[in-house]
Amino acid sequence: QSVLTQPPSASGTPGQRVTISCSGSSSNIGGHSVHWYQQLPGTAPRLLIYSNNHRPSGVPDRFSGSKSGTSVSLAISGLLSEDEADYFCSAWDDSLNGPVFGGGTKLTVL
Amino acid sequence: QVQLQEAGPRLVKPSETLSLNCTVSGGSVTSSFWTWIRQSPGKGLEWIGYIYYGGRTDTNPSLKSRATMSVDTSKNHVSLRLSSVTAADTAFYYCAAGNFFFDKWGPGTFITVSS
Repeated sequence: QSVLTQPPSASGTPGQRVTISCSGSSSNIGGHSVHWYQQLPGTAPRLLIYSNNHRPSGVPDRFSGSKSGTSVSLAISGLLSEDEADYFCSAWDDSLNGPVFGGGTKLTVL
Repeated sequence: QVQLQEAGPRLVKPSETLSLNCTVSGGSVTSSFWTWIRQSPGKGLEWIGYIYYGGRTDTNPSLKSRATMSVDTSKNHVSLRLSSVTAADTAFYYCAAGNFFFDKWGPGTFITVSS
């Protein structure tokens, strides 16, 4: 059971906008920045969004993050087939004194 | 560009010690925090611990002090040792740069615990 809660799956058609939610508590999301990772099949996770809504160099601006209280969302606009992957949220947790992760959301591009 | 590569025995017997190295290329092991993370089908991504070359380190309490990490500046690598392994320790093991978020990851290595 992961500390952060994500829906196990999401889907969309090419060109569509999809959002993936992630909820936590005051000891993690409520008090700290949230980061998102993309994991393509058979590869290591890749940093997609850091500090709630910042994109590392090379990440398209189709990806964006938002935060409200103890919940966050990842939005992907102009969906492409190459976006089909697992997406994980993460935040520092005061109880653990380390980072915690969501269980991951498998995005399918129909 | 910093690249990371994990290496170590892929098969470990129950009750023995898992040992992994993460070699840093294109940068110095003294330049960042280094974190170990594992991923198994049953538990998703799990933080194992982090280390900074100056000696600052912390590990996940759930591992009950079985995990130790070290930095070797002469070899430019960081190491993980996980003692008294069981089947529950079977997973992909990744090293990553950072301690709050991780902007570089190694490709990972799958470790099987089995006799």
